[in-house]
Amino acid sequence: EPEVTQTPSHQVTQMGQEVILRCVPISNHLYFYWYRQILGQKVEFLVSFYNNEISEKSEIFDDQFSVERPDGSNFTLKIRSTKLEDSAMYFCASLFEASGNNEQFFGPGTRLTVL
Amino acid sequence: GESVGLHLPTLSVQEGDNSIINCAYSNSASDYFIWYKQESGKGPQFIIDIRSNMDKRQGQRVTVLLNKTVKHLSLQIAATQPGDSAVYFCAEARLIGNQFYFGTGTSLTVIP
Repeated sequence: EPEVTQTPSHQVTQMGQEVILRCVPISNHLYFYWYRQILGQKVEFLVSFYNNEISEKSEIFDDQFSVERPDGSNFTLKIRSTKLEDSAMYFCASLFEASGNNEQFFGPGTRLTVL
Repeated sequence: GESVGLHLPTLSVQEGDNSIINCAYSNSASDYFIWYKQESGKGPQFIIDIRSNMDKRQGQRVTVLLNKTVKHLSLQIAATQPGDSAVYFCAEARLIGNQFYFGTGTSLTVIP
């Protein structure tokens, strides 16, 4: 069964460093998402991406964040200068079609630890 | 912004009993609602969804009820099994906007 994959499973970085979290969505999906979940808290929407551009973003998704789909396969989330409060699980999700089948498939997540 | 919350943070049920997990949402413009299950160390897993033009939808052992008058959503799990133990999140969205907001989650524990 097709699944969303994410790498790495755990990323440890120093405050101020740049990190890139990688996701491979399900191949025929058209909509892509990043979410984060701080330990013990709810899942928070960061950004949605469709047709090679951001369609929605939350207030969390500030200038330190960017997303890219560089090669039609990978979907990346970059944090330019990490802060301690960026420590969280980051989930990627993909969806085939927003107006029909709306089931988002989530990846297993990347745990980001900022020291 | 939108606000989605859950009435009960934890719920314990006996195996075989029915479970009901509740959720309140605040944005009357939301037209799509989803329930997710999250097991420890894993990403959210879609369970069932419902659009705002419906008030009930049934899946396999699960039923979602939507009361738009009071902005309330519930998930009913029939004959709860140990494998149902997880955190359950509701989420709301506006399909045209393609943005999803999650609630805080309810931890369901099934007692064998």
